[in-house]
Amino acid sequence: SQQGEEDPQALSIQEGENATMNCSYKTSINNLQWYRQNSGRGLVHLILIRSNEREKHSGRLRVTLDTSKKSSSLLITASRAADTASYFCATAYSGGGADGLTFGKGTHLIIQP
Amino acid sequence: EAGVTQFPSHSVIEKGQTVTLRCDPISGHDNLYWYRRVMGKEIKFLLHFVKESKQDESGMPNNRFLAERTGGTYSTLKVQPAELEDSGVYFCASSLSHTNRYGYTFGSGTRLTVV
Repeated sequence: SQQGEEDPQALSIQEGENATMNCSYKTSINNLQWYRQNSGRGLVHLILIRSNEREKHSGRLRVTLDTSKKSSSLLITASRAADTASYFCATAYSGGGADGLTFGKGTHLIIQP
Repeated sequence: EAGVTQFPSHSVIEKGQTVTLRCDPISGHDNLYWYRRVMGKEIKFLLHFVKESKQDESGMPNNRFLAERTGGTYSTLKVQPAELEDSGVYFCASSLSHTNRYGYTFGSGTRLTVV
């Protein structure tokens, strides 16, 4: 599997429900970030969680990080139609090497009105 | 503040031609990054500038790709000659510091189609 791999690949839920997306990674990380991409637009940074943090909140978003399992989850509560987008996790590697973030393929979230 | 601006938003060129993509980062952001996403694959890191210097270009696929950031402001990414497999979306991102806690600001991307 790829570093920063999200599941599910696609998720369709009703407006008002909660959406949970998961991300797994392989290497030691400095931090893990979640981004959103609306169709045809750029990536929008949602939230960053550091390797020494376990949970973080921002509005309707809740991110957890389990470094022992090398996994993270993004929870969007009370979903809205405007949350329809692709969501990507990205990891910043802590061991030197490439400066860039390592992205997963993303979860495509559809909120049904 | 203005975000990260990329242009063109779309480019269709023939195999063997040259294309130059441009990225204007947020003013004052020393760090500038190029990424790309080819069809069905992950978004991949290409390179990282700090001001006008290439800090890390380990993700550049081959020597047909040339990135510059003269003067440490905007950056260009030239593909010469373009091949079919270069098709994809090229993103630029910028940040004040490399190890920032607020993530990176991405542009809307340039969709490149090589035919």
